Amino acid sequence: GAVVSQHPSRVICKSGTSVKIECRSLDFQATTMFWYRQFPKQSLMLMATSNEGSKATYEQGVEKDKFLINHASLTLSTLTVTSAHPEDSSFYICSASRIQETQYFGPGTRLLVL
Amino acid sequence: AQSVTQPDIHITVSEGASLELRCNYSYGATPYLFWYVQSPGQGLQLLLKYFSGDTLVQGIKGFEAEFKRSQSSFNLRKPSVHWSDAAEYFCAVGAANDMRFGAGTRLTVKP
Repeated sequence: GAVVSQHPSRVICKSGTSVKIECRSLDFQATTMFWYRQFPKQSLMLMATSNEGSKATYEQGVEKDKFLINHASLTLSTLTVTSAHPEDSSFYICSASRIQETQYFGPGTRLLVL
Repeated sequence: AQSVTQPDIHITVSEGASLELRCNYSYGATPYLFWYVQSPGQGLQLLLKYFSGDTLVQGIKGFEAEFKRSQSSFNLRKPSVHWSDAAEYFCAVGAANDMRFGAGTRLTVKP
């Protein structure tokens, strides 16, 4: 149990376009979902925390207009990178948790902006 | 403020040898502690977690970790490493909605 999926696993886009990444909890209802960014050979950097039906809470330094997060249901959260630029290229990982429970991670999405 | 320190950036062990990855934490209350493993290009997989009770925790893939409150440590161990254990290992502390990760320890396994 506690499986989290992400789609797509890899995406290449042109600079200036928007990209949407989906995160789904497949076998449990996630009250909270998290979005992380990971640079090569580094740890995870928390971008935002979202609760179903509420606005996401962004970490300091993360542009909320750049990284739009929607948590429409207890099993789905989406991250949209708007007007993507090459510096947005990264590995994006989501995780999901039940109340006061463990975070379960998705497999990650590799974004490359040309 | 809570924080996690993984003192070893990179560790190399021979296949079949024992392994210990260190993790020290700073936390104001009784911590929830986790170890995750990440293979290249993949997400994080939970190895084990400690919430309360027995301070020696068994996890998947033959890993175990011991919570030592007096040393603020939660070191990960495995008695005999397999080549497939080569990966990045992250220690984390905190509740599910406020988790802090260490910088990670990269494990290389020599044949």
